Amino acid sequence: AQSVTQLGSHVSVSEGALVLLRCNYSSSVPPYLFWYVQYPNQGLQLLLKYTTGATLVKGINGFEAEFKKSETSFHLTKPSAHMSDAAEYFCAVSEGGSTLGRLYFGRGTQLTVWP
Amino acid sequence: NAGVMQNPRHLVRRRGQEARLRCSPMKGHSHVYWYRQLPEEGLKFMVYLQKENIIDESGMPKERFSAEFPKEGPSILRIQQVVRGDSAAYFCASSPEKVLYFGPGTRLTVL
Repeated sequence: AQSVTQLGSHVSVSEGALVLLRCNYSSSVPPYLFWYVQYPNQGLQLLLKYTTGATLVKGINGFEAEFKKSETSFHLTKPSAHMSDAAEYFCAVSEGGSTLGRLYFGRGTQLTVWP
Repeated sequence: NAGVMQNPRHLVRRRGQEARLRCSPMKGHSHVYWYRQLPEEGLKFMVYLQKENIIDESGMPKERFSAEFPKEGPSILRIQQVVRGDSAAYFCASSPEKVLYFGPGTRLTVL
């Protein structure tokens, strides 16, 4: 069975500081991994995804994540936070294949960016 | 190319009434997924449909909830005899392959 754990329901950083949002997963098969961002009262927007290939994945808005199989992790980072990054971030995993659309989401991490 | 569309965006119902949530997938997408987001929780899978077929409904509550995706028209998530615990944001997503595109959601409030 698949599951996702996001460490830290709230993360606060200063503008310009490094953003690190943690995600660990469990999966019985090679996983497909995703990060989504949700702004208030909006739907989820895909930030980046890992399916196969290069383990360092670059996404939109300067975010990137690295798939580390040995650590079962897929942490999201951004070198320099911007005020517009304040939102809720969700990590998700799927088995891929015919069950690709069945995502298992973490509980989310609310990112606050201080000026 | 319009994104996934959901309506209404906000829906208020009294206990015992019916709620109908609509989802129009992105053009060319024939796979639709419904997810529910309870307060301070991540999204939970409910059902996966293709045109005229329910592929996976393992996440749907056993009673009062149903979903359809007819040959013509939007996908409908129907909740009969709503209760306060049904208050949540309901998201629809569509997919061509390898990634889901989510709609803006319908926020259901049950009084």
